[in-house]
Amino acid sequence: GDSVTQMEGPVTLSEEAFLTINCTYTATGYPSLFWYVQYPGEGLQLLLKATKADDKGSNKGFEATYRKETTSFHLEKGSVQVSDSAVYFCALSLNEKLTFGTGTRLTIIP
Amino acid sequence: EPEVTQTPSHQVTQMGQEVILRCVPISNHLYFYWYRQILGQKVEFLVSFYNNEISEKSEIFDDQFSVERPDGSNFTLKIRSTKLEDSAMYFCASREHKGIPSNQPQHFGDGTRLSIL
Repeated sequence: GDSVTQMEGPVTLSEEAFLTINCTYTATGYPSLFWYVQYPGEGLQLLLKATKADDKGSNKGFEATYRKETTSFHLEKGSVQVSDSAVYFCALSLNEKLTFGTGTRLTIIP
Repeated sequence: EPEVTQTPSHQVTQMGQEVILRCVPISNHLYFYWYRQILGQKVEFLVSFYNNEISEKSEIFDDQFSVERPDGSNFTLKIRSTKLEDSAMYFCASREHKGIPSNQPQHFGDGTRLSIL
């Protein structure tokens, strides 16, 4: 079946460090890909999306490129802030439902 | 910005009791979803709902579960006879009715933490 594999956490970085959270997927068709973020005590918020190969999603300094050849959608940010501390979920959608990865907890220390 | 709202934020229920989780989707959205996240595990799809019908459901969504849109604004998830393993965070989501379904982002509420004793 369809699945998403995410980098195991937790990840701890210093402020202004470069961030990469790896995400790869397995799907029977051509899914849309999403990154959602969950801040403490809150629900899942859409961070960015890409709907076809080579699309780049971006938001709030975060980027991810849909790589069909490597079935990947890695999340990157050039300089993280303390406020980026959260749990990040990679997800795919082929039809009505979202299939999520396990989530990666990110902590940024000042 | 419009939000999906869920109530209550935390529900504690005795095993075997019925529980109803409530959601108010974003007002112009027509597709509705329930997901759950058992502590430390993945967010899992339960059910999707459109035009007053279930459009897709997972293996988790057995006869103990039901969904309803009782009026023009609420969307509910009922668990008839709760079990210990139903303890989880339950998320409601909704999306607009336009374009290709898989391309449209789903908007999530803050969740209801259900604790079964």
